[in-house]
Amino acid sequence: KNEVEQSPQNLTAQEGEFITINCSYSVGISALHWLQQHPGGGIVSLFMLSSGKKKHGRLIATINIQEKHSSLHITASHPRDSAVYICAVPQPLMNYGGSQGNLIFGKGTKLSVKP
Amino acid sequence: DGGITQSPKYLFRKEGQNVTLSCEQNLNHDAMYWYRQDPGQGLRLIYYSQIVNDFQKGDIAEGYSVSREKKESFPLTVTSAQKNPTAFYLCASMASSGANVLTFGAGSRLTVL
Repeated sequence: KNEVEQSPQNLTAQEGEFITINCSYSVGISALHWLQQHPGGGIVSLFMLSSGKKKHGRLIATINIQEKHSSLHITASHPRDSAVYICAVPQPLMNYGGSQGNLIFGKGTKLSVKP
Repeated sequence: DGGITQSPKYLFRKEGQNVTLSCEQNLNHDAMYWYRQDPGQGLRLIYYSQIVNDFQKGDIAEGYSVSREKKESFPLTVTSAQKNPTAFYLCASMASSGANVLTFGAGSRLTVL
């Protein structure tokens, strides 16, 4: 079973700072997910990436498959970025012939951006 | 707009009572999942269903039950056998083909008094 580790666990930043959240996993995967959980509890998917880099607005996600490591960067951070950021990797569901349909989740990084 | 609706958002129950959490999706997704979230822990899979009338236990199924009579609906019952039911419960769904991207509901917070 894949182990997913995130760092740091908690992160406090000043508005405008560049932020990096790291994720490492133990077993090779085809893709990695970054999710955002807002204080109310709802979760949205930010990125799914299998190689290289993806960018959406001020968010950038990178992955190094060989090193089993991914990073999520936030440029020009803003208080509205305050949330828990979670990385997750696929976990095959063996009852369905090993097809991928579930995720193993990291414990999350709680980000607080101060004005 | 398509999405997943969970209800209720907050639920308080006495110890020993069964409670059922609702999850409905209009995304035409085949696969649906129930996760439990506890403070300081990652989401853990309770049950999942890839097709109607079929479901499988996840990592922490003890004390829970589900049904999948309709494609749109995947209710979760927290039974009195669940020793520590107070938690945040999230329902999710995924299309059976294409990218493995989960869509989540807003969650249900269950507190057992």
